[in-house]
Amino acid sequence: EVQLVQSGAEVKKVGESLTISCKGSGYRFTHYWVGWVRQMSGKGLEWMGTIYPDDSDTRYRPSFQGQVTISADKSTSTAYLHWSTLKASDTAIYYCARREAIGYFDSWGQGTLVIVSS
Amino acid sequence: EIVLTQSPGTLSLSPGERATLSCRASQSISSPYLAWYQQKRGQAPRLLIYGASSRAAGIPDRFSGSASGTDFTLIISRLEPEDFAVYYCQQYGTTPGGYTFGQGTKLEIK
Repeated sequence: EVQLVQSGAEVKKVGESLTISCKGSGYRFTHYWVGWVRQMSGKGLEWMGTIYPDDSDTRYRPSFQGQVTISADKSTSTAYLHWSTLKASDTAIYYCARREAIGYFDSWGQGTLVIVSS
Repeated sequence: EIVLTQSPGTLSLSPGERATLSCRASQSISSPYLAWYQQKRGQAPRLLIYGASSRAAGIPDRFSGSASGTDFTLIISRLEPEDFAVYYCQQYGTTPGGYTFGQGTKLEIK
């Protein structure tokens, strides 16, 4: 069974750094792109970026380029989403999702709630 | 960037009724790479439909999708209580970037 298990909720302060994780299992982690999707409170889904764990090829939505860093460790089948300087506007739920070969997201993590307070 | 516009914003129906959800793309989508997701309150999205009309594994056949040019439709033939949720359309492609989602349609119990 394909599973993506994300790290737990985080409460941070403005200006702090943060890394959340997404561990894949039940499939060959290095053979599928993994995407990150943001959902702000009461809002819709926004694609942030996607990484190919085998070679760490990464694509970002332009509005997120430079704001976050996506990485992956194929030895532990884990993808990461990193902020070096959090803003209050980063408060949201973040989902990771496996990208099927053609391009849709067929499996999703349970989501990680990030709260950034001033 | 392709913009997806979903309508209506909210759809109020009763169990047993037929639901028709629309998604219009601002330009042509190749092949057609359009997916539909269901998101229940407090849960992650779930893939329902890909390729505009193919049901994902385990999705009941009361869910169906269709395409006509830049207009895409999700139909739920007979609503079950568990179908009341928010539905998103998404365009994707063979390159692993440039995905966009529609703003969502909330399907609520009348």
